Amino acid sequence: DTAVSQTPKYLVTQMGNDKSIKCEQNLGHDTMYWYKQDSKKFLKIMFSYNNKELIINETVPNRFSPKSPDKAHLNLHINSLELGDSAVYFCASSQNARTPLGNEKLFFGSGTQLSVL
Amino acid sequence: AQKITQTQPGMFVQEKEAVTLDCTYDTSDPSYGLFWYKQPSSGEMIFLIYQGSYDQQNATEGRYSLNFQKARKSANLVISASQLGDSAMYFCAMRGSGAGSYQLTFGKGTKLSVIP
Repeated sequence: DTAVSQTPKYLVTQMGNDKSIKCEQNLGHDTMYWYKQDSKKFLKIMFSYNNKELIINETVPNRFSPKSPDKAHLNLHINSLELGDSAVYFCASSQNARTPLGNEKLFFGSGTQLSVL
Repeated sequence: AQKITQTQPGMFVQEKEAVTLDCTYDTSDPSYGLFWYKQPSSGEMIFLIYQGSYDQQNATEGRYSLNFQKARKSANLVISASQLGDSAMYFCAMRGSGAGSYQLTFGKGTKLSVIP
């Protein structure tokens, strides 16, 4: 069983379209994340939810909207897609980001490669 | 805020040799965690090793060890007896313990190529 699964693995779409990426974790974790990996492989945090509460909301265009219906799911919806949105989007989870220690290991999904044409 | 610096964009190593991948960090948090992840060409992110800032000993996991020098703020990854399957991108990351330190901050990565 895949611990963190995200779908789809590949997403090819036209500029201006709206698309969603879904993520589910079966690890019983409280915290989930969305990271964006650009063409230079740099990983940047976008959003994080802890028990359905938004705890990280980095400076990203408001065309990106995360939604967490429950703590096991975190979806990413993108409106009006632009060429610059092409990237790999990773979902991840950790036990509980609110713990005061720094030892929160992240478990990653396999990534969604988004190509905007 | 945390900052991770990986100064080696690419590295080559002969098969069966050891290699050190450099990582320096900056944080004002009193305690923090340091992580290394591997990303092979298939794209998945694989956790390798973790070092806590108050751990007395350097972390080891099989062929991976972390050379942690707190005063120098460095957390270098050492891979012993390199294998062809070690060819991948390697990311150093850290998480602080201060308020709002909820995520891992990643370095830009080092691409390791193992030569037969």
